[in-house]
Amino acid sequence: GESVGLHLPTLSVQEGDNSIINCAYSNSASDYFIWYKQESGKGPQFIIDIRSNMDKRQGQRVTVLLNKTVKHLSLQIAATQPGDSAVYFCAENMVPNSGNTPLVFGKGTRLSVIA
Amino acid sequence: DTAVSQTPKYLVTQMGNDKSIKCEQNLGHDTMYWYKQDSKKFLKIMFSYNNKELIINETVPNRFSPKSPDKAHLNLHINSLELGDSAVYFCASSQGTQETQYFGPGTRLLVL
Repeated sequence: GESVGLHLPTLSVQEGDNSIINCAYSNSASDYFIWYKQESGKGPQFIIDIRSNMDKRQGQRVTVLLNKTVKHLSLQIAATQPGDSAVYFCAENMVPNSGNTPLVFGKGTRLSVIA
Repeated sequence: DTAVSQTPKYLVTQMGNDKSIKCEQNLGHDTMYWYKQDSKKFLKIMFSYNNKELIINETVPNRFSPKSPDKAHLNLHINSLELGDSAVYFCASSQGTQETQYFGPGTRLLVL
């Protein structure tokens, strides 16, 4: 299940099940979105990205869905494996002609895979 | 063959000291960044350099001074370290300011 509180939200899933990690972004002008995976003791690693002219993009075992109406982004991981255990961050970036705006990261969700 | 590398990986030091963290990328990118990640895993950008020029300087104490000797390097110097500076510092790079950023392994700073 999923818990939200003072600590990092955590999602626990059984190995082999599908995982869905959600993210609400803040800026309706954002046009580029990225999902990163951060394993313990390592830096964030790019997983998949999507631009605002799309609502779905698929990679290997991962799918990102973008709902601009409600400013919602989700990451779906198929057949979750123990190696998927990590903290997942969504990040948003504003339109290119807005200047050098920084990438804004969400708070992160910890995914725990139960073997 | 590491794309973005940082040194040192761990840094333990006393309050009041001055320390530097180095970052190098071999991806040929023109933009580099420094981020701070706190104990709650929140990632916040500190600085960004594009072609050795400072383009983003978020609200960071002026005890922190980035230096970019060339496009492949962005170092971070911290003066008069404080307890609250303890965190993990990540360097990242991208080709252009609007493209995917690639992160280094992080430097774990502990100020005692």
